[in-house]
Amino acid sequence: EVQLVESGGGLVQPGGSLRLSCAASGFTFSTYWMHWVRQPPGKGLVWVSRINSDGSSTNYADSVKGRFTISRDNAKNVVSLQMNSLRAEDTAVYYCARSLDYWGQGTLVTVSS
Amino acid sequence: DVVMTQSPLSLPVTLGQPASISCRSSQSLVHSDGNTYLSWFQQRPGQSPRRLIYKVSNRDSGVPDRFSGSGSGTDFTLKISRVEAEDVGVYYCMQGTHWPPWTFGQGTKVEIK
Repeated sequence: EVQLVESGGGLVQPGGSLRLSCAASGFTFSTYWMHWVRQPPGKGLVWVSRINSDGSSTNYADSVKGRFTISRDNAKNVVSLQMNSLRAEDTAVYYCARSLDYWGQGTLVTVSS
Repeated sequence: DVVMTQSPLSLPVTLGQPASISCRSSQSLVHSDGNTYLSWFQQRPGQSPRRLIYKVSNRDSGVPDRFSGSGSGTDFTLKISRVEAEDVGVYYCMQGTHWPPWTFGQGTKVEIK
């Protein structure tokens, strides 16, 4: 069974940093692209970032480019999202997703003073 | 970026009756490889998104056959043949042809009359 479990969310002040992690199991992690998608409270889905299977290629939404970094550890079956210079508009539930077919349960990030 | 536009945004339906959601893209979603990467997701209240349909009309494993997808080019439709209570939630279309970014529609809220 495919499982994706996000962690690392919480309350952070504007300008602060947070690192999200997503632990994967139930499939051959090293062969799949992984994505982060976020959902602001009461709003729709917004794609954030993608990393290819070996970590050699990444993409970012314009709104997070230069502030967020996606990475993966195929030995540990973990994909991470390092979020720096956080803004109020980054407040959202962050989901990791395997090739956008299976999604985790999400972790809430709140940016507020 | 490809803009995905769904209609209606709210869809009250009677149990047992059909429902239809439209999704239009700002440019053709036919990829150079001949595939059309249009997916549909269901998000039940309080849950993470679940993919229902990929490449326009292919149902994911475990998805009831009352859900069907159709369309081509820039116009796509998700149909529920007979709405059940468990179908309540928000439905999103998403394109994966012209990336980055992967882009979602605004969402259509399905509720029971």
